[in-house]
Amino acid sequence: QKEVEQDPGPLSVPEGAIVSLNCTYSNSAFQYFMWYRQYSRKGPELLMYTYSSGNKEDGRFTAQVDKSSKYISLFIRDSQPSDSATYLCAMILLMDSNYQLIWGAGTKLIIKP
Amino acid sequence: KAGVTQTPRYLIKTRGQQVTLSCSPISGHRSVSWYQQTPGQGLQFLFEYFSETQRNKGNFPGRFSGRQFSNSRSEMNVSTLELGDSALYLCASSLVRLAGGSDTQYFGPGTRLTVL
Repeated sequence: QKEVEQDPGPLSVPEGAIVSLNCTYSNSAFQYFMWYRQYSRKGPELLMYTYSSGNKEDGRFTAQVDKSSKYISLFIRDSQPSDSATYLCAMILLMDSNYQLIWGAGTKLIIKP
Repeated sequence: KAGVTQTPRYLIKTRGQQVTLSCSPISGHRSVSWYQQTPGQGLQFLFEYFSETQRNKGNFPGRFSGRQFSNSRSEMNVSTLELGDSALYLCASSLVRLAGGSDTQYFGPGTRLTVL
C-alpha cells in the first residue's frame, strides 16, 4: 500500500462545475499538506498549503484536511478550462532535524468548455 | 525575478552512459531539491542540498548523486544509465529548508531524459 493514494483520473467535468480532488494517506504523523498544480511540460506550482484539520480558502480554491480520517481534499469552484492540469497532493513528515516529503500520483483534471 | 532554470531541457543518452543535469535556483534561495517524475511512479524525492551540503536523501541508488556550489547552483549526476532512468527530472528551490513547512518550493520546467 502506498503511503499516499490519489486517483490518477482523468477527471472530466463541464466548465463552471465544482471539482473535488482527494488524497488519502496511511501515516497519521504527516503534519503538513500541500496541493500543487502541474501544467503539461511545466514543473509543479504550489496552490495551497495547510497543517491543521479544517478548511483553508484562497479564491476559488478550498483545501480541506481531515486528520481523523486521514483524508485531504481540494475543491475548485466555478471551474475554468484554464484549470485543466494535473493536481498533485504532497505531505511532509518531520523527523528530528529532517523531513520526509511524499507525493500523490497526481489527478489529471479536464475542464470541458 | 527569474524563476528556476534547468539545463538542458531535453537529453537523449544510451545505457551505460552518464549524465549531468544543472539547476539554477531563484536568486537568494539556498535550498535546492531534486525529483524524478515518471508516469508509473509519480514524483519521487531524490535529494536536497542546502548551503552546499546534502541535507536529505530519498531512496535512490548511489548512481544518483548531486552537489551544490557556493552560488547555490546545483548539479545532479546519474552514472551507468539504465532504461528505467528515463524520466522528467525536476529541480525545486526554496528560500530555506522545506522542513519549515510553510516554505514554498518553486519548481523549474524540468529536464526530460530519455535513455535508449
